[in-house]
Formats: sequence, C-alpha cells, structure tokens
Amino acid sequence: NAGVMQNPRHLVRRRGQEARLRCSPMKGHSHVYWYRQLPEEGLKFMVYLQKENIIDESGMPKERFSAEFPKEGPSILRIQQVVRGDSAAYFCASSTNNSPLHFGNGTRLTVT
Amino acid sequence: RKEVEQDPGPFNVPEGATVAFNCTYSNSASQSFFWYRQDCRKEPKLLMSVYSSGNEDGRFTAQLNRASQYISLLIRDSKLSDSATYLCAVRMGGTSYGKLTFGQGTILTVHP
Repeated sequence: NAGVMQNPRHLVRRRGQEARLRCSPMKGHSHVYWYRQLPEEGLKFMVYLQKENIIDESGMPKERFSAEFPKEGPSILRIQQVVRGDSAAYFCASSTNNSPLHFGNGTRLTVT
Repeated sequence: RKEVEQDPGPFNVPEGATVAFNCTYSNSASQSFFWYRQDCRKEPKLLMSVYSSGNEDGRFTAQLNRASQYISLLIRDSKLSDSATYLCAVRMGGTSYGKLTFGQGTILTVHP
C-alpha cells in the first residue's frame, strides 16, 4: 500500500542546470499538488494537476518552472536554468476529490 | 491579509501541559479544514480533519468557528513526542477545488 513516492530524495545541481523532480501519487489518487518549502518557512502552493491537465498554476513562477502529469507515468516538476534561490524542499501530495492531501517524502534541491 | 494565519510561536511547554493553537482564515467560503504535523525536515502528515461540530482524537481536539473564521487545536497531557510544527490547512473550494492553503506553522516544544 505505497504512499506518495518522490524521487530523488536529494538533488544537487549547479547554477544553470536543469532539475527534474518526480512524483507518483498514491494508488487511486488522480489529483497531484506540488508545494515548495524554504528553510524556516511554510508550505507554498505551486501547482495542482489532474491527469493531463493543469488545474491551478497560480503559485508557479512564470519563467523556468513547468509541471506535467501525463496519462502514463509520474508527475514531473521541471526547473530550467536553476539559480541558488531555487534551493528548497519540494513536496508532492496527492488526493481524491474530497480527501485530505497525503504528502511524499520530498525532494531537497540544492543549487551550488 | 494572508489567506491562512497562525501564531508561529514557539510554544515551550512542560510535559503534561495543555496547549492550544489557533488559526484564522480569510475566505468565508472555505469548505474543509485540517491540521497537519511536520517534524524537522520531514513531510507534513495529516493529524486530523476539522469538522463543524468539533472532533476529538485521543489527546487532540479540533474545533471550527465559522462565524469568527478560525480553527483551533487543543493538545492535552503533552508528550515529548508532540514536539513538532503544527500546520493548519484550508480548502477554499471553487475552481481550484482540491488545493489546500497552509498557514506558516506553529512550533511546539515539549520539555521534561
């Protein structure tokens, strides 16, 4: 009964490289959410997706960030040309229509 | 005004104490409410949903006051293991139905 699976757990990128974060929702969950958490700060919503659709991307920076949740395979959060300010913990969560969100272990991105 | 606000604390209490946290929300149309717990550098975990009539789970009691737009969490007989950050979360509803908006968290430290 696997929960939300995220990988990698830790990711180190140099400035200017691309970061790809993957998330497989809980079985039976069709809604996926990405949140970012900076050190000593709260969870900030980034994007909400259902299969093949972006429902709400109001928290996504307009440039360099994109997300997808294809028909087959995990959801991907992609950050192009990373900068030091992108260093954070990125949490993925999933849910059914009315359920609370269940979170994965997170990916800790460090940009050097 | 932030959509969801919490007193960040920290709250430092002795074992056995009773402690209460409040969380206010700005959108009167908010539909669902939750408390999450987050341990240092780990993912948020659902503690309990908050129902209109109030609900209790062991030492934890959650209440909702729609008129004043706040939710509360009461922890009785605090244990050392209760030390964590407590996050309130609100589901606004509408077109972005599933998304949760989180408060910045309240830090609780229970000492011997």
